[in-house]
Amino acid sequence: SQQGEEDPQALSIQEGENATMNCSYKTSINNLQWYRQNSGRGLVHLILIRSNEREKHSGRLRVTLDTSKKSSSLLITASRAADTASYFCATDGDSNYQLIWGAGTKLIIKP
Amino acid sequence: DVKVTQSSRYLVKRTGEKVFLECVQDMDHENMFWYRQDPGLGLRLIYFSYDVKMKEKGDIPEGYSVSREKKERFSLILESASTNQTSMYLCASQAGGGQPQHFGDGTRLSIL
Repeated sequence: SQQGEEDPQALSIQEGENATMNCSYKTSINNLQWYRQNSGRGLVHLILIRSNEREKHSGRLRVTLDTSKKSSSLLITASRAADTASYFCATDGDSNYQLIWGAGTKLIIKP
Repeated sequence: DVKVTQSSRYLVKRTGEKVFLECVQDMDHENMFWYRQDPGLGLRLIYFSYDVKMKEKGDIPEGYSVSREKKERFSLILESASTNQTSMYLCASQAGGGQPQHFGDGTRLSIL
């Protein structure tokens, strides 16, 4: 199956700075989701944005979606050491069940 | 909160063994999934199930089978384990199509 692409593959920033990750996808979608994975653990759902939405907020997270460019971004504001993790985007494509996963962005927050 | 429990965090098995990975969810979700995750390859779907006794192949079903006899339990079976099946295995459940997936903590499986 096709995969989304995240950019950058890795990002290292100082605590307190903002972190931005991007996701591009190839097919039309109903929604796009972002997940976080701490090292050696399962994925945790962060936020879901529907194709008719342009922006969504959840705490320090801000997600934007541009369906004309088939891209999304995840902004984490005022980063903390606990935000160190890998972040994945996933789209539903044309399936009712399967998600199409990106390869992930590894985020490191330096104290 | 949804809880997805995988039976083992770490497992070591020998080549040729039949291996069972168990996953249980407590939220009466319709859909359940098995993924494997390898460095540089991301998450790859092995099998999923949208109802009891129903299963569909994902992207990499070869060498695996699944069982869903009860709604809350989804088992992954490695019929004859091989070293290239050494990986992190992740189970997920989902209330319905288009909804978030909820993951277990994963099983890190080593085949020697």
